[in-house]
Amino acid sequence: SQQGEEDPQALSIQEGENATMNCSYKTSINNLQWYRQNSGRGLVHLILIRSNEREKHSGRLRVTLDTSKKSSSLLITASRAADTASYFCATDPLTSGSRLTFGEGTQLTVNP
Amino acid sequence: DGGITQSPKYLFRKEGQNVTLSCEQNLNHDAMYWYRQDPGQGLRLIYYSQIVNDFQKGDIAEGYSVSREKKESFPLTVTSAQKNPTAFYLCASREQGALETQYFGPGTRLLVL
Repeated sequence: SQQGEEDPQALSIQEGENATMNCSYKTSINNLQWYRQNSGRGLVHLILIRSNEREKHSGRLRVTLDTSKKSSSLLITASRAADTASYFCATDPLTSGSRLTFGEGTQLTVNP
Repeated sequence: DGGITQSPKYLFRKEGQNVTLSCEQNLNHDAMYWYRQDPGQGLRLIYYSQIVNDFQKGDIAEGYSVSREKKESFPLTVTSAQKNPTAFYLCASREQGALETQYFGPGTRLLVL
């Protein structure tokens, strides 16, 4: 079963607006990662946040992690049409060995 | 150019046929993974390998088989026992370590004739 669950399943915004996606998970983790997938392509790693970190930034991306609530959020600021893609969170559970567990994803559409 | 390659991009399978999807990486990564993705869904783990000549079943291994004879190669065979093979298959690799990310290939789309 999927460890991560993203919310919302789909999000449509205008260029220049901010996009926020949420991820919830069930078990204790080493880290949580966010990936992006353009339609029909492979996944591209965006950002990793360790279990002892609360917030991390990379360019227009901001990730937060709340281990007490077992949740994370990905914020994309000043969105562009090129940000249109599916976004997945992936957790690295403490007991998983080298496995990652992916959520169902959020489909983001940024309208020009 | 470092990276992961998958071939073919599209693959057609006839009823009762086994087909093999190729995955090659030149990143010198120890661990490799195979995922299945159905339309509008997340990734489900089929098999993974942390070292040459060793591999483990993931969450949906039935109807699939793998081998890991070389560090750079991790082919996936979709057998005739897999009754619903139509999906997008993604291969990934990762350096060993808890903080390492996975690098993905471009995927193979498998269709049943």
